[in-house]
Amino acid sequence: AQSVAQPEDQVNVAEGNPLTVKCTYSVSGNPYLFWYVQYPNRGLQFLLKYITGDNLVKGSYGFEAEFNKSQTSFHLKKPSALVSDSALYFCAVRLRIYNQGGKLIFGQGTELSVKP
Amino acid sequence: DAGVIQSPRHEVTEMGQEVTLRCKPISGHNSLFWYRQTMMRGLELLIYFNNNVPIDDSGMPEDRFSAKMPNASFSTLKIQPSEPRDSAVYFCASSRIFRGSTNTEAFFGQGTRLTVV
Repeated sequence: AQSVAQPEDQVNVAEGNPLTVKCTYSVSGNPYLFWYVQYPNRGLQFLLKYITGDNLVKGSYGFEAEFNKSQTSFHLKKPSALVSDSALYFCAVRLRIYNQGGKLIFGQGTELSVKP
Repeated sequence: DAGVIQSPRHEVTEMGQEVTLRCKPISGHNSLFWYRQTMMRGLELLIYFNNNVPIDDSGMPEDRFSAKMPNASFSTLKIQPSEPRDSAVYFCASSRIFRGSTNTEAFFGQGTRLTVV
């Protein structure tokens, strides 16, 4: 079955420290990979995506993500966390059109808490 | 563009009543998704459409749930009859498939918070 796993329900980080939110996936073919963020009582907002090329992708608000094909992982990172980064983060994969017509599957989410 | 528009934002209904959630995707987008978010199950994909055609409805929990997309600018998710366990936040999202490529991000609406009592 196609799936996305975020092994940590919650990640706690001190402000100014680097943060990592983990994501692994199990899908057929070569999917496109995404990270989204959700603030309380809001919809999901797009952060960044990996399509092809450089394994390190840079996105909004200083976030970046590293794609590792052999480990089927797409971890989200930020060199220096801010209290305002505290939110729920979702990893997602989108299947290519010839596989499943563009199905977009999300992980269960990781709650990031950044303390001052 | 105003983004993906969902209505209503909040809905409280009694068990057994019919509920209809509405979504207007971003103009020009040809792919539309319906998700359900709960604390227990996270973000579940219910159904998605490409060019107004349902592609995969395997996530629809029961026959009580149905979704339609009569045209490119409107979709509905209907629950009939509703039950307390249907209480959740329902999100609609849209994206554009360009030249057969699905590497585009999806844009989400603000969601409809459904409470069935």
